[in-house]
Amino acid sequence: QVQLQQSGAELVKPGSSVKISCKASGYTFTSYDMHWIKQQPGNGLEWIGWIYPGNGNTKYNQKFNGKATLTADKSSSTAYMQLSSLTSEDSAVYFCARGEIRGTLDYWGQGVMVTVSS
Amino acid sequence: DTVLTQSPALAVSPGERVSISCRASEGVNSYMHWYQQKPGQQPKLLIYKASNLASGVPARFSGSGSGTDFTLTIDPVEADDTATYFCQQSWNDPFTFGSGTKLEIK
Repeated sequence: QVQLQQSGAELVKPGSSVKISCKASGYTFTSYDMHWIKQQPGNGLEWIGWIYPGNGNTKYNQKFNGKATLTADKSSSTAYMQLSSLTSEDSAVYFCARGEIRGTLDYWGQGVMVTVSS
Repeated sequence: DTVLTQSPALAVSPGERVSISCRASEGVNSYMHWYQQKPGQQPKLLIYKASNLASGVPARFSGSGSGTDFTLTIDPVEADDTATYFCQQSWNDPFTFGSGTKLEIK
């Protein structure tokens, strides 16, 4: 069965960076896009971008250009998202999700809470 | 960006039929999807491409619409359907989500 297992919660300082992971299992990792989505407490969902692990191609929401960097390691079937120059506005839960037919998000990770605080 | 507008909240009784609407600020073809999110959990795909039932989702859930107006219908509603329902479009860049409709079962 398809599973996306994300890394644990992070408490980080303003101005720093954080890298969170999403380990995929139960399907061919290199054949599907991996999307990343942000959810702030009480707020809706924001799409950050996707990476295609098969060739490393990426597509970002312009809003997150320079904030998020998506990578993938085919050998471990793990996708990563690095967030840089963190501020309180980056405090949120971040989900990875497998992309099916043009942006259908059919399986989601459990989410990672990132808290930016001094 | 394509703005998706949803009603903030609805309350219905078990056994009733409920329709949740999502209106897009511009056309999204049929690339509208619906997700259910319960507190503390990740979203779950219910309907993809406007009207296709995702794997394992009960047939009580259905979707309709095209262009800019879309509807998720639950019939009949069960107590376990208490959740927030989000629509998402993947036709225009960037992909966007509605703000969610919180469904309360009386």
